[in-house]
Order: sequence, then structure tokens, then C-alpha cells
Amino acid sequence: GENVEQHPSTLSVQEGDSAVIKCTYSDSASNYFPWYKQELGKRPQLIIDIRSNVGEKKDQRIAVTLNKTAKHFSLHITETQPEDSAVYFCAASPIQGAQKLVFGQGTRLTINP
Amino acid sequence: NAGVTQTPKFRVLKTGQSMTLLCAQDMNHEYMYWYRQDPGMGLRLIHYSVGEGTTAKGEVPDGYNVSRLKKQNFLLGLESAAPSQTSVYFCASTSRLAGYNEQFFGPGTRLTVL
Repeated sequence: GENVEQHPSTLSVQEGDSAVIKCTYSDSASNYFPWYKQELGKRPQLIIDIRSNVGEKKDQRIAVTLNKTAKHFSLHITETQPEDSAVYFCAASPIQGAQKLVFGQGTRLTINP
Repeated sequence: NAGVTQTPKFRVLKTGQSMTLLCAQDMNHEYMYWYRQDPGMGLRLIHYSVGEGTTAKGEVPDGYNVSRLKKQNFLLGLESAAPSQTSVYFCASTSRLAGYNEQFFGPGTRLTVL
């Protein structure tokens, strides 16, 4: 089955700097890669996703890149702000079928003022 | 439009007790999922359902049962709770429509088993 590894587990950056979180996956059948943000005590919420027919996707200050050959994908947050502090999860699944997500272990991002 | 709701929000059980967690969604989604979240382990899929009357096992199904008698509801049962089942449980749902993948999560249920 699919296995998703996420690094780093914790990340601390200065406000205004960039943050990068990386994930690797094992199953070449996976072709949908979402990123979820979870604030303390809240539910996970989708912030961006990418499909395997696209190498990069941007939405304002966040971007995701995908390298299918190497089976890894990354989340990039630029111009970080205090409200970006949260736990971020990557996940992988096939688009077809039951769309079962396999999540990474999470990255706790702290933005220092 | 409430989205995905979960009942209860918190619960404390003693070892061996049973309980049922209720997930409800009003988005007419076909697919529903139950996850557990433990520190340092992300979210892990317990059981899922692709439609009314159908359920299937996920990554960590042992000790849990589920039922989907109505399209909008997905129930997670613990027949004999164990301390290892102390966790935060999230329900999620998504549509079967082609090209649509976002899973919407409920607010979670924090369960403690003593």
C-alpha cells in the first residue's frame, strides 16, 4: 500500500521568510496530492492540491511542486505571516475509486515575529 | 448548510465500554471516511464508505465497526473500548463527481479511554 513520508516534523521561520515542507510517496498509482492545514484544536482544511498531470500549482503565497519521477512533492509558503502557524499535512491518493487519502505525519510550522 | 458535523465533541469511556460516534453531512456526498489522529502520526483511515449500505476497511480497522444506513450519515462504533483507542476522531466526506477530490472534515471527537 501507499506510504507517505513528510519532513521536517517541526519548522520555525522568521516572519516574512519562506517555508518549505517536503513529502515522498511510494505508490506510483497515486495521482492526487493535497495539502491540509490544521490550526490548534480545529479540523484539517484543504489549502492547495495538485494532480499528476501538473508539475506546479500556485495560489497567492502558497505553491506546490510535484516530481512524479522521484515520487516527491513539496509545499512552499512565501512571505510567511503569523497566521501561517499551524500543522500542515501532505497526502496522496489515486483520483479514481474510493479516493482514500494516505497522510504524512505532519509538520508543525511556527512563524516567529 | 452545516457541512460535516460530528457528535459528540468529547467523550470519556472506561475500558470495555461501548459507544457510537455519529457523522452527518448535508452536501449529498457519496463518499465518507473515518480517520483517527494521534500525535506524530498524522491521520490514519479507519473505515470508509463509497455509498449507502456499503463500507470497507481502511489502514487501522481493528476494534471498530461502521454502518452507513443513510447517505448522509456514517456511524463509527467501538464495541469494547481500549486505552489504545484514545484519540481524536475525524469524519470526512467528498463527492464522487469526476474531477472532484477535496475531502471536507468534521470538527472532530476527542475520545479518552481510561
